[in-house]
Amino acid sequence: EVQVVESGGGVVKPGGSLTISCVASGFTFNKGGMNWVRQAPGKGLEWVSSISSDSNFIYYGDSVRGRFTISRDNAKNSLYLQMKSLRPEDTAVYYCATVGTKEESHGDYDFWDWGQGTLVTVSS
Amino acid sequence: DIQMTQSPSSLSASVGDRVTITCRASQGIRRYLNWYQHKPGKAPQLLVYAASTLQSGVPSRFSGSGSGTDFTLTISSLHPEDFADYYCQQTYSIPHIFGQGTKLEIK
Repeated sequence: EVQVVESGGGVVKPGGSLTISCVASGFTFNKGGMNWVRQAPGKGLEWVSSISSDSNFIYYGDSVRGRFTISRDNAKNSLYLQMKSLRPEDTAVYYCATVGTKEESHGDYDFWDWGQGTLVTVSS
Repeated sequence: DIQMTQSPSSLSASVGDRVTITCRASQGIRRYLNWYQHKPGKAPQLLVYAASTLQSGVPSRFSGSGSGTDFTLTISSLHPEDFADYYCQQTYSIPHIFGQGTKLEIK
């Protein structure tokens, strides 16, 4: 069974920095992509960033590009999100998600396994 | 990036009702469409993948359909535990973007 546990959330002042982490188990970590998604209070899920299994391909959403950096350590089964120049609108629960694959007769289909999230609050 | 438009954004229904949520992709995504259920404080749970394949353990009152750009999630008879948020997600291309979500509330 895949398990994903996020950590490192907390309260930070506007303009500050914070790094959150995620440890995953129950699958071959270095074989799959990883993702960060966030949910601001009262809002829907917003994709933040994705990284390929070998870190060669990295993607960011428009709202965080240039301020957030995703990285992974396959030896530690860990994913990180370094957040800089934080704004009040970055306040959210941040979820880490793994990419798994369902193999069907008509093709292979990706899906995500999620953690329960870590809360980041940006406030003075 | 492929954009996903989900509707309605909220829905009030009663136990036993049949409800349908729709999701439209900005371009064809074949059957690369997932549906998730999300309850407060919990990890989102996969309900349906490949547009219509039920994840193991998901009750048969849930069903998905569609291909190309238009998809639906149907709950045939609502149970109390089904009141939650629902999201579609395309996995045709990276990033795997979500719809805006549907909040299913008790009437």
